[in-house]
Amino acid sequence: GAVVSQHPSRVICKSGTSVKIECRSLDFQATTMFWYRQFPKQSLMLMATSNEGSKATYEQGVEKDKFLINHASLTLSTLTVTSAHPEDSSFYICSAGGLAGRVISYNEQFFGPGTRLTVL
Amino acid sequence: SQQGEEDPQALSIQEGENATMNCSYKTSINNLQWYRQNSGRGLVHLILIRSNEREKHSGRLRVTLDTSKKSSSLLITASRAADTASYFCATDARSSGSARQLTFGSGTQLTVLP
Repeated sequence: GAVVSQHPSRVICKSGTSVKIECRSLDFQATTMFWYRQFPKQSLMLMATSNEGSKATYEQGVEKDKFLINHASLTLSTLTVTSAHPEDSSFYICSAGGLAGRVISYNEQFFGPGTRLTVL
Repeated sequence: SQQGEEDPQALSIQEGENATMNCSYKTSINNLQWYRQNSGRGLVHLILIRSNEREKHSGRLRVTLDTSKKSSSLLITASRAADTASYFCATDARSSGSARQLTFGSGTQLTVLP
């Protein structure tokens, strides 16, 4: 199956700093990447959808200036949490879909292992 | 807002028993998927059932879908301690670019006791 990696897997930072999380598709190219946030013992909430080469589409209630998403290539999307605060502490998960150059089920998404962000 | 609700929220069974989890959703769907998540880890895709299907099997997994009731169930037979995880249903109804967005249910935490 297709492999998606995230880096870092865990990050602890001070309040007010910015944190960048990378999501990479390792053995395939993805035209669409999704970013989710998951609080403890809760479900995944979609934050934004990014299509390669275009601006990300954010879900209602997600601040686009706080959560900057860049999808510069078919294998890499980044999420930057700017001026992080303790309430931003969460588990961030990306997924890749819309595999380029491959006839696939339209429904396939491949998930990364997640990044645990703790803001002190 | 969450598309799906799952019940039970938590389920604890003995190894060898069957585990059944249910998922309800609100809008029309193209398909419904079930995922598994071990604690602090990413999601693993288990099975997908299309809106025109009523039942699907994969190994020890059996999924049903009732579009008239907007509900689905996941049955894990002969459970093992390694099945301990959170299980989520996810529906797709919107598309963005070349992939469909997923909306996840609230999840069921399954604990299988050895």
